[in-house]
Amino acid sequence: NAGVTQTPKFRVLKTGQSMTLLCAQDMNHEYMYWYRQDPGMGLRLIHYSVGEGTTAKGEVPDGYNVSRLKKQNFLLGLESAAPSQTSVYFCASRIPLGGRTYEQYFGPGTRLTVT
Amino acid sequence: AQSVTQLDSQVPVFEEAPVELRCNYSSSVSVYLFWYVQYPNQGLQLLLKYLSGSTLVESINGFEAEFNKSQTSFHLRKPSVHISDTAEYFCAVSEKDSSYKLIFGSGTRLLVRP
Repeated sequence: NAGVTQTPKFRVLKTGQSMTLLCAQDMNHEYMYWYRQDPGMGLRLIHYSVGEGTTAKGEVPDGYNVSRLKKQNFLLGLESAAPSQTSVYFCASRIPLGGRTYEQYFGPGTRLTVT
Repeated sequence: AQSVTQLDSQVPVFEEAPVELRCNYSSSVSVYLFWYVQYPNQGLQLLLKYLSGSTLVESINGFEAEFNKSQTSFHLRKPSVHISDTAEYFCAVSEKDSSYKLIFGSGTRLLVRP
């Protein structure tokens, strides 16, 4: 099992450019989440999905879109990047529906810089 | 709405000394509680969790945390730290609803000195 993987690991964008971050998991997890981590603020939830074909907004969704066309993948899109989106982005997933361990498993992160 | 407070942004401590990292939360419903650890340039790893039952939970590497419902706290402790425990520690809560979203505290950087 590779667990939760994220592509790319690093990226530098200019203001106004677009990009997509890919999260993949091979654990048959139903729930997937995108967080951003900023110094002194912990992790904040951007969007999440409770199953294939579903998405929902988290705490800080503005400026981001997501899609969950396949159960194993969760994509995070930035349509027009802004310097305020400079951050480290983490994807996480949770065990299958009906499971009882409740914790989330995290990917290694993507460090994004917007200039 | 839920919130998590980690009052200490950084805790310096000497090797083999005890340490306590504080976490307080607010929620109007029952919650699950977690501590995650993040080593430099890595993702988050689960350290321990409280779901129900015994209020004292332990990890395999000597950390423990105690759920105190009356004080809405979930402080993390270790009786003797090692250099390798240097990392950032995040407390998180999840309400018992259908999404199991995590709300994180701002993190505490544990710096263990020789």
